[in-house]
Amino acid sequence: QKEVEQNSGPLSVPEGAIASLNCTYSDRGSQSFFWYRQYSGKSPELIMSIYSNGDKEDGRFTAQLNKASQYVSLLIRDSQPSDSATYLCAVYGMDSNYQLIWGAGTKLIIKP
Amino acid sequence: GAGVSQTPSNKVTEKGKYVELRCDPISGHTALYWYRQSLGQGPEFLIYFQGTGAADDSGLPNDRFFAVRPEGSVSTLKIQRTERGDSAVYLCASSVQGTRGTDTQYFGPGTRLTVL
Repeated sequence: QKEVEQNSGPLSVPEGAIASLNCTYSDRGSQSFFWYRQYSGKSPELIMSIYSNGDKEDGRFTAQLNKASQYVSLLIRDSQPSDSATYLCAVYGMDSNYQLIWGAGTKLIIKP
Repeated sequence: GAGVSQTPSNKVTEKGKYVELRCDPISGHTALYWYRQSLGQGPEFLIYFQGTGAADDSGLPNDRFFAVRPEGSVSTLKIQRTERGDSAVYLCASSVQGTRGTDTQYFGPGTRLTVL
């Protein structure tokens, strides 16, 4: 069974520090990877997508992908209290062009 | 432009009743997805539409659940004889094509269903 694993947390990070969120996936053929942020009581919103090995930066966010290790991470620099949320990792499996496989999410708490 | 919209935002019903949940996707998106999310879990896939047809309904938990998208835009998720275990947040998402394995799925605000 294809799986996406995340540490459920909570991960507590001081304001201004770097938050590091990790995700591993089981389907070696996966090609597309997504990080969504979900505030309590709200729906998931896209933060980053990444398709190639290496780093992808967008503002304070950096996604890192290592397909050999089946590992994708999200770094948040200069963490703000407004970054406190649950971060969901989602992956398209090799044999599906539409069905995302989701992790259960990591709860991030930024302490002022 | 407008995002994905869902109505109602909250629905409280009694066990055994019938409910309909509506989703209006982003204009021009041909792919539409329904998910269900319970507390502390990621979204659980229910059904995927490509245009008007249900291309994959393998995630529907049983035959009490049914969804339609008659004109390739708005979709309705229908639940018959609701049970307390159906209580969850029902999320709808849409994407441009849904056939490339790279599409970003954009989510609506969800419908919180509570079955008493």
